[in-house]
Amino acid sequence: GDSVTQMEGPVTLSEEAFLTINCTYTATGYPSLFWYVQYPGEGLQLLLKATKADDKGSNKGFEATYRKETTSFHLEKGSVQVSDSAVYFCALTKGGGADGLTFGKGTHLIIQP
Amino acid sequence: DTAVSQTPKYLVTQMGNDKSIKCEQNLGHDTMYWYKQDSKKFLKIMFSYNNKELIINETVPNRFSPKSPDKAHLNLHINSLELGDSAVYFCASSQNSGRTYEQYFGPGTRLTVT
Repeated sequence: GDSVTQMEGPVTLSEEAFLTINCTYTATGYPSLFWYVQYPGEGLQLLLKATKADDKGSNKGFEATYRKETTSFHLEKGSVQVSDSAVYFCALTKGGGADGLTFGKGTHLIIQP
Repeated sequence: DTAVSQTPKYLVTQMGNDKSIKCEQNLGHDTMYWYKQDSKKFLKIMFSYNNKELIINETVPNRFSPKSPDKAHLNLHINSLELGDSAVYFCASSQNSGRTYEQYFGPGTRLTVT
């Protein structure tokens, strides 16, 4: 079946550091890829998305590029802030009908002042 | 306006009880979902419901039953609650047309079974 693998956390960085959270996937066909963020005590918020190879999703300074050749969708941000501290989930769906999202295990990001 | 809402936010109950969690979306979406997030934050699809078609994850015990009175609502009823049912349950919705399929999540319901 489909699966998503992302780096284990917690990942601890200093404010203004460069962030990369790795995500790779296994899926047949052409899935849509997503990053969701979960702040403490809250639900999941869609951070960014990409629906086909070489698409770049971006939002709030975060970026991720859909790389079909390496089956990857790594999340990056040039300068993180304390407010970025959260759990980040990589996910995929092939859509069509009512397919649920397949999630990675989540990466807990801690940004220190 | 809240796009996807769930009630209650917290639910504490004893083993063996029956409980329901309600979900409503005002996005006009045609598909709704229930997910379970365990204590390690792992998220797994439980059900999806699209145009009166229910798709069940086979690993979900039949004590769990989703009910959809209309396109904007998908409730989750749980019979004979067990300790292992303690988790955070998220409702989500999406519009399954076009190519994007992004899902929008509710704030979650933290269920504690004692």
